[in-house]
Amino acid sequence: AQSVTQLDSQVPVFEEAPVELRCNYSSSVSVYLFWYVQYPNQGLQLLLKYLSGSTLVESINGFEAEFNKSQTSFHLRKPSVHISDTAEYFCAVSDYSTDKLIFGTGTRLQVFP
Amino acid sequence: GAVVSQHPSRVICKSGTSVKIECRSLDFQATTMFWYRQFPKQSLMLMATSNEGSKATYEQGVEKDKFLINHASLTLSTLTVTSAHPEDSSFYICSARAGSGTEAFFGQGTRLTVV
Repeated sequence: AQSVTQLDSQVPVFEEAPVELRCNYSSSVSVYLFWYVQYPNQGLQLLLKYLSGSTLVESINGFEAEFNKSQTSFHLRKPSVHISDTAEYFCAVSDYSTDKLIFGTGTRLQVFP
Repeated sequence: GAVVSQHPSRVICKSGTSVKIECRSLDFQATTMFWYRQFPKQSLMLMATSNEGSKATYEQGVEKDKFLINHASLTLSTLTVTSAHPEDSSFYICSARAGSGTEAFFGQGTRLTVV
């Protein structure tokens, strides 16, 4: 079975500062990895995903995440955040066979002016 | 990306009544749909997986007689919360996928409040 750990429940940061949201996973099989963003009272939007190939994946709005197999991590980073990045961020994992998404507990990113 | 529409976005119902939530894939055929429940400030918990034309597969601890899931067509799945109680109040989110290994797209969620 897979599991996902997001150690930081809340991350406060000032606008234009860099940010890292941590995600570690546990799995006995190869997995796909995802980051989703959720704005208040909305569903989830896919931010980026790692399926295979390059371990560094990027989103269109400046976020990136790096798959580190040895550390079983998939941390999300952005070099300079905006107020509009304030949201809940979920890391998720699925394995090849079940395709079920298992979510972490989420990290609330709060960007202050 | 593809669009998944969930309706209603908010619903308030009396204890003991049933509520139906719809999840539609608007521009693709969803062979598989997932239903999640999200408690305040918590993660999404997978409730069940439904494949078109088949019975839903429920996760451990989810009452299948209470949370009825129907996936009668490739574009529509419904979740019916039967005999709702206040403890069923939650945020319910569906997601839909065109096929195995493809990206899952999420609906905007339904806020259910049982009074």
